[in-house]
Amino acid sequence: GENVEQHPSTLSVQEGDSAVIKCTYSDSASNYFPWYKQELGKGPQLIIDIRSNVGEKKDQRIAVTLNKTAKHFSLHITETQPEDSAVYFCAAASYTGRRALTFGSGTRLQVQP
Amino acid sequence: EAQVTQNPRYLITVTGKKLTVTCSQNMNHEYMSWYRQDPGLGLRQIYYSMNVEVTDKGDVPEGYKVSRKEKRNFPLILESPSPNQTSLYFCASSPTLRGDGYTFGSGTRLTVV
Repeated sequence: GENVEQHPSTLSVQEGDSAVIKCTYSDSASNYFPWYKQELGKGPQLIIDIRSNVGEKKDQRIAVTLNKTAKHFSLHITETQPEDSAVYFCAAASYTGRRALTFGSGTRLQVQP
Repeated sequence: EAQVTQNPRYLITVTGKKLTVTCSQNMNHEYMSWYRQDPGLGLRQIYYSMNVEVTDKGDVPEGYKVSRKEKRNFPLILESPSPNQTSLYFCASSPTLRGDGYTFGSGTRLTVV
């Protein structure tokens, strides 16, 4: 089955700096890669996703890049703000599989004011 | 408001005492899933359901049961809880099998003593 590895497990940045979280996946059939943000006491919330037919997607300060050859994808947050502090999860899934998302282990991002 | 509702939010129980965590969604989603979240392990899928009366095991199904008698409800049953099932549980629903646009509930923190 699919295996998703996520790094780093914790990340501390100064407000205004950029943050990058990286994930690798094992199943070459995976073709859907979402990112979720989990704030304290809440369930994960989808913030951006990318499909295998594109290499990059942006939404304001958030961007995701995908390298299918190397089987890795990354989340980039620019101009970080204290409200970006949360746990971020990457995930991978396949159109052809019967099972849905396989999640990474999460990254705790702390943005220092 | 489109949402996934889990109950209870917090539960402390004793080993061996059967319990049920309820999950309901109001988005007419066909796909529903249960995950458990443990530190350093991310979100691991317990069971999922592709439609009414169609359920299947995820990655960590041991000690759990589910049922899907109605499209909106997907309860998680622990017939004989053990301390290693102490965890944070999330129910999620999606319009697709692949998990596009997963909506998560707010979570149930279960402690088994």
